Amino acid sequence: EVQLVESGGGLVKPGGSLRLSCAASGFTFSNAWMSWVRQAPGKGLEWVGLIKSKTDGGTTDYATPVKGRFTISRDDSKNTLFLQVNSLKTEDTAVYYCTTLWAGTSDNWGQGTLVTVSS
Amino acid sequence: DIVMTQTPLSSPVTLGQPASISCRSSQSLVHRDGNTYLSWLQQRPGQPPRLLIYKISNRFSGVPDRFSGSGAGTDFTLKISRVEAGDVGVYYCMQGTQSPYTFGQGTKLEIK
Repeated sequence: EVQLVESGGGLVKPGGSLRLSCAASGFTFSNAWMSWVRQAPGKGLEWVGLIKSKTDGGTTDYATPVKGRFTISRDDSKNTLFLQVNSLKTEDTAVYYCTTLWAGTSDNWGQGTLVTVSS
Repeated sequence: DIVMTQTPLSSPVTLGQPASISCRSSQSLVHRDGNTYLSWLQQRPGQPPRLLIYKISNRFSGVPDRFSGSGAGTDFTLKISRVEAGDVGVYYCMQGTQSPYTFGQGTKLEIK
C-alpha cells in the first residue's frame, strides 16, 4: 500500500523558512515522479511543483508564484521528498500535500502538513 | 499557464439523480505524445483529494463505474450517473499536459 507522510509544517513569521518532508513507502520511490500541491484554508488546490525521477533527469519545475523561493529535492536512499520554502509570505499559508505523479496527474496523496505564515 | 475553468461552481443534486461538471482549458490539452492529460479528483470534507479519472475517461483503481469522464481538446465533462451521499465534496479537474500543471477552481457537490 502506498503511504505518503508529510511533516515539518508549523507557524513561521513572514520572511522565514521551513523544510517540509514527505516519507514514502509501498512503492519504488526512486522510479517515481513526485509533486507538491497546496491548499490555502477554505480554498482550492494549487500545484506547487514537481521533481522527476533521476532516471528521467531528476529535474524540477515550479508554479510561477513560488519560483525562486521554493526548492524541491529528493533523497532516494531514504525514500524521502523535500520542499524547502524560503522568503515565506502570508499567502503561502496552506496545507501542503505530497503526491506521486503518474499519467499526468497526482494519483496518491498524503494527509498534508499545515504551514502558517503569520507575525 | 493553462487556465482551467469549471462550471458550475456549486451543484445541488438530489440523491439518486445524475450530476455533471464541465471543465474547459484555455488551450488544447493534447500532449505531443498524443495523450490528453486531463484528470478529475474528488475531495471529501476534511480529506485529501482522491484521483477518480485520468486521461479524460479512465477510472482509477477502486472508483465506481457511476463516475465517467469524457471530452477532447479543451472541453471535458465528469458525470456521476446516480449521486450517493458519499459523493458530497469538491471536484477538481487538473491538467498535466503542460507545466506548470493547473487545477480548476473546484465544483462543490451538495445534496438538495
